[in-house]
Amino acid sequence: GQNIDQPTEMTATEGAIVQINCTYQTSGFNGLFWYQQHAGEAPTFLSYNVLDGLEEKGRFSSFLSRSKGYSYLLLKELQMKDSASYLCAVSGLFRDDKIIFGKGTRLHILP
Amino acid sequence: NAGVMQNPRHLVRRRGQEARLRCSPMKGHSHVYWYRQLPEEGLKFMVYLQKENIIDESGMPKERFSAEFPKEGPSILRIQQVVRGDSAAYFCASSPGTGPRNEQYFGPGTRLTVT
Repeated sequence: GQNIDQPTEMTATEGAIVQINCTYQTSGFNGLFWYQQHAGEAPTFLSYNVLDGLEEKGRFSSFLSRSKGYSYLLLKELQMKDSASYLCAVSGLFRDDKIIFGKGTRLHILP
Repeated sequence: NAGVMQNPRHLVRRRGQEARLRCSPMKGHSHVYWYRQLPEEGLKFMVYLQKENIIDESGMPKERFSAEFPKEGPSILRIQQVVRGDSAAYFCASSPGTGPRNEQYFGPGTRLTVT
């Protein structure tokens, strides 16, 4: 079966760093996506990891360990606008290149 | 270059009526995906279509729900005889093709409310 786990909610302070973890157990694996979704809006693409290691893109970095079935999204220098849900999603050798989404982590930023 | 378009953005239906949700993919994209999102929950895959072809409908309820993506025009998600439990946000996404990095671009969603 397919299972993607991430914390339901997290809280962090403006200017700080936060790490959002994601573990997955899927029947196939090609790569892992992170999407950001503000309340009432569509998800927007943040990152895609296919190889082990850290990929940095500005204030956001994403890490993947394929052997451990584990990823994290690291957000630095948090801003109030980073308050959103962060969705971990796996693309795999499923039928037809489907992407499976986790339930998302709601991140609250405090001033 | 317009993004993924969905309409209507908000739809209110009474129990038993039909709901039709439309999705126009990004220019150049031939793959369309429909997802449902309940409040406080993640995105649940429903169906994956290419032009005139349903590729994977494993996430679609067996009854009352159907989807199409005709040769011309938008993709349509149709819900017949709606019930209160159908109230949700329905997102459409499109991608240019298959392959490992099958990045999907999402539309703004249609929020369906069944009264």
